[in-house]
Amino acid sequence: SAVISQKPSRDICQRGTSLTIQCQVDSQVTMMFWYRQQPGQSLTLIATANQGSEATYESGFVIDKFPISRPNLTFSTLTVSNMSPEDSSIYLCSVEGQGNYEQYFGPGTRLTVT
Amino acid sequence: GENVEQHPSTLSVQEGDSAVIKCTYSDSASNYFPWYKQELGKGPQLIIDIRSNVGEKKDQRIAVTLNKTAKHFSLHITETQPEDSAVYFCAASSGGYQKVTFGTGTKLQVIP
Repeated sequence: SAVISQKPSRDICQRGTSLTIQCQVDSQVTMMFWYRQQPGQSLTLIATANQGSEATYESGFVIDKFPISRPNLTFSTLTVSNMSPEDSSIYLCSVEGQGNYEQYFGPGTRLTVT
Repeated sequence: GENVEQHPSTLSVQEGDSAVIKCTYSDSASNYFPWYKQELGKGPQLIIDIRSNVGEKKDQRIAVTLNKTAKHFSLHITETQPEDSAVYFCAASSGGYQKVTFGTGTKLQVIP
């Protein structure tokens, strides 16, 4: 399994500002995923990030709102731009270990937008 | 795309009893079915998974069954303990870096 850390663990932000969430993995991984989990809800995939290429976004999510960087095989960032209260959620990164199907999740970033 | 339905949404059991959570999926191409446990304030933790070439898998008190014909899979927890209380998510994927689709979650409460 992989050990994944996220920063910050939580934040309270003002409407209209942006927040960048960092995800660090303890081993090199090919694919990293970003999910959103609204309060009391399931997980929704935002995008898939492959090192060296642009992220692939799911329907309903756009790069201008959720830009993603993947500079190397152990790190990724997700930015939540021009935030509104509807962006209040838990944001989770996950990785798939060496194509063995298993996905492991970070602890999440709890974002509140006021 | 894949659609995963999960039942029940909440489940209360007495300590020591068994708990069963059921899921159905829609995409016959799905061949990997993980289960996650999410405790309050934490990220989901992979607890068990099953691949389409297997009908059942056990790990101590936890077992998962898969019926590919009916597109059903289930999580069975025996001898439940208070620390089993959490939200459980089933999921389906066609694997190999493909998208994982999650069920809606089951909040399990084990009453001491």
